[in-house]
Amino acid sequence: EAGVVQSPRYKIIEKKQPVAFWCNPISGHNTLYWYLQNLGQGPELLIRYENEEAVDDSQLPKDRFSAERLKGVDSTLKIQPAELGDSAVYLCASSLLRTSNEQFFGPGTRLTVL
Amino acid sequence: QKEVEQDPGPLSVPEGAIVSLNCTYSNSAFQYFMWYRQYSRKGPELLMYTYSSGNKEDGRFTAQVDKSSKYISLFIRDSQPSDSATYLCAVSLNNNDMRFGAGTRLTVKP
Repeated sequence: EAGVVQSPRYKIIEKKQPVAFWCNPISGHNTLYWYLQNLGQGPELLIRYENEEAVDDSQLPKDRFSAERLKGVDSTLKIQPAELGDSAVYLCASSLLRTSNEQFFGPGTRLTVL
Repeated sequence: QKEVEQDPGPLSVPEGAIVSLNCTYSNSAFQYFMWYRQYSRKGPELLMYTYSSGNKEDGRFTAQVDKSSKYISLFIRDSQPSDSATYLCAVSLNNNDMRFGAGTRLTVKP
């Protein structure tokens, strides 16, 4: 069974440029998460989806970040414009059930903003 | 105060040693306790999950929760070089809103 797929794996952009990350969760997983992981820190939740609905986006900086999950499968996270402080790893995770204690993580997209 | 505090290490031990990794948390309402392992350039993977106070064993790994002290531990027996990774503790109120510790980087030397 394929795991969570993320692309690109690495992205280098200049500040003020837009950037987008894509995530394909494990087939059949209704819940999808986007996390931000800074160097030397644990993941921090940005947004959680139940199917197409964003049920928790309280930590998403909405002035520059946006996300969508069309058709309740793939998801895209966008930053526009990117700032130097956005350099981090962006992790996508999925779980089968809303109440599942096991989240399956993708390898992440490592973003560097110059 | 952070919700979950974890000693970032790094921790270096010889092969075969017993490793002890620890976290404290601030909110006594947390009910679920997890340990994730993260290899370099990979996403975290669930290692252990516990709900109640006490011990839970899985092979060489033992997770321990002390709710009265708000303290969680992971013990690794007979550590192997393949155990070299960053170990993240996580706590949750209702099973899907995890709060992670900063992670402890472990190196097991052959």
